[in-house]
Amino acid sequence: AQSVAQPEDQVNVAEGNPLTVKCTYSVSGNPYLFWYVQYPNRGLQFLLKYITGDNLVKGSYGFEAEFNKSQTSFHLKKPSALVSDSALYFCAVRYATGGSYIPTFGRGTSLIVHP
Amino acid sequence: DTAVSQTPKYLVTQMGNDKSIKCEQNLGHDTMYWYKQDSKKFLKIMFSYNNKELIINETVPNRFSPKSPDKAHLNLHINSLELGDSAVYFCASSQSVWGTGSYNEQFFGPGTRLTVL
Repeated sequence: AQSVAQPEDQVNVAEGNPLTVKCTYSVSGNPYLFWYVQYPNRGLQFLLKYITGDNLVKGSYGFEAEFNKSQTSFHLKKPSALVSDSALYFCAVRYATGGSYIPTFGRGTSLIVHP
Repeated sequence: DTAVSQTPKYLVTQMGNDKSIKCEQNLGHDTMYWYKQDSKKFLKIMFSYNNKELIINETVPNRFSPKSPDKAHLNLHINSLELGDSAVYFCASSQSVWGTGSYNEQFFGPGTRLTVL
């Protein structure tokens, strides 16, 4: 079985400060990891993904994430938060089962950036 | 141009009614999905079709029936609606989930907010 955990329901950060949204996973074999963002009353938007190669992945809107195999983590980061980054963030993992890949999403973390 | 579109955006109906939600994608993707997002924002996959073939059918009441007339469309029909069906339903698409397409990201529609009274 595979799972994704986002241990924080909410993260609060002041504008201009660095932000981290945590994600850990459990999966057999190699994981494919994704981050999505959901703004209020909108669908999810893809931010970035890790497939293989460099552990540091850069994505949209200045976000990046670091894949750490030993800690089974894929934390989302941004050096300087903006108020407009306030949204719901989902980590997702895809794994192989029966030849197809079933996406599993974490429960989401609400990021609130204060002016 | 909207990549993944859903209609209607809002759906308010009485318990016991039957309703449908339509989804269309113009991305040329082979795989489409239906997700349910509950009031706590938890996202749960319901169904997935690859090239009109059902490949994922999670534990969902059989009152929910997906239908894919072609690979650009995936509709969701719900019979005998219940209060607990109230949620936001998202359609999504991606490149094929098979083989090298397995790591492709998903594109989500804007959602359909279903309210059952």
